Amino acid sequence: KNQVEQSPQSLIILEGKNCTLQCNYTVSPFSNLRWYKQDTGRGPVSLTIMTFSENTKSNGRYTATLDADTKQSSLHITASQLSDSASYICVVTHQGGKLIFGQGTELSVKP
Amino acid sequence: DGGITQSPKYLFRKEGQNVTLSCEQNLNHDAMYWYRQDPGQGLRLIYYSQIVNDFQKGDIAEGYSVSREKKESFPLTVTSAQKNPTAFYLCASSIIRRGRGGELFFGEGSRLTVL
Repeated sequence: KNQVEQSPQSLIILEGKNCTLQCNYTVSPFSNLRWYKQDTGRGPVSLTIMTFSENTKSNGRYTATLDADTKQSSLHITASQLSDSASYICVVTHQGGKLIFGQGTELSVKP
Repeated sequence: DGGITQSPKYLFRKEGQNVTLSCEQNLNHDAMYWYRQDPGQGLRLIYYSQIVNDFQKGDIAEGYSVSREKKESFPLTVTSAQKNPTAFYLCASSIIRRGRGGELFFGEGSRLTVL
């Protein structure tokens, strides 16, 4: 069954600290993987896209990694800011076109 | 600015009533989608459309209906047949047809509460 599992479910960190969010998937065959950021009460916004051949991709303080062999991705946030408080959603695209969403990780950055 | 506009932001419905959520985009995207978001769950696809006057059921279409009379518009009707309609509804569009993994551009969402 094609699934996407994210961990942890929720995370609280202090402002300025780093954190890493995990995404494991069983989707096969795989097309790409995206990370979205969703502020409370808003629509998700794309942060990065990873294809099969890419291992690392950065977008400012966000760095995504992909290990296609182990079917794992991570999103690393450096020097966290209060505005990073949001839900982070991992979305894997099956080669047939279907999008499979993870349940999200709720990140809270405290001052 | 280009984007997706959903309205209303908040909506209250009495049991037995149909309600329609509006979604308009000026991004000139072919594909449009409706998702439902519940706490602790991933987004679930309700309906999607790749072209005007055509749409397809997603994973949880029962109790919902859509239309695509214009490229820019994809309204969702939540009917009285939907047994648990209280949720956050997200409309999205993409520049390429579903099946190619294109980036989804989301609206700000509509929160529906059944009283």
